[in-house]
Amino acid sequence: KAGVTQTPRYLIKTRGQQVTLSCSPISGHRSVSWYQQTPGQGLQFLFEYFSETQRNKGNFPGRFSGRQFSNSRSEMNVSTLELGDSALYLCASSLTGQNTGELFFGEGSRLTVL
Amino acid sequence: GQQVMQIPQYQHVQEGEDFTTYCNSSTTLSNIQWYKQRPGGHPVFLIQLVKSGEVKKQKRLTFQFGEAKKNSSLHITATQTTDVGTYFCACNNNDMRFGAGTRLTVKP
Repeated sequence: KAGVTQTPRYLIKTRGQQVTLSCSPISGHRSVSWYQQTPGQGLQFLFEYFSETQRNKGNFPGRFSGRQFSNSRSEMNVSTLELGDSALYLCASSLTGQNTGELFFGEGSRLTVL
Repeated sequence: GQQVMQIPQYQHVQEGEDFTTYCNSSTTLSNIQWYKQRPGGHPVFLIQLVKSGEVKKQKRLTFQFGEAKKNSSLHITATQTTDVGTYFCACNNNDMRFGAGTRLTVKP
């Protein structure tokens, strides 16, 4: 079956702009979680959605937001971009949720903020 | 929230040597997962440990969960060039916390 699909794979934005990233989970998976990966901070949890509800949230400012649709696809949005937001944004889907199940990661969306 | 410390940060070995990475938590964990990320790739799930003192093997990889469920290790016997990548532990109580990762390079 198809894996986790993230779009776009690469994007370049300038400071102050906003960006929306999309994630389509594995069919049947209801949990989608988002992570930011940078060389300095490693993999950091952003939030998790399960059946359209945000179940957990990491320690990121309110500029980072997300949502999940009825078909389990998820989007995350970053507003008022800062240089420090440059990172690889990874989406992971899970059958039962990140607390109990194996995470299947997508290839990621690499965001560069100039 | 819980913190998970992973060491070493880097490990360079000669092909055929063994490799071990360690994760330590300040709190008791419900479970711990291990992931591998190849250069330029995305993390791929390796295993989940749940029970105190659990030991699991996958070919040349041995995973251990401490008796107190506060630490874990991944040991690779006789490394190969295909083992190159960054190995992460991940633990969760309410949210998923990843260790900083151990980057393994293998010299042929």
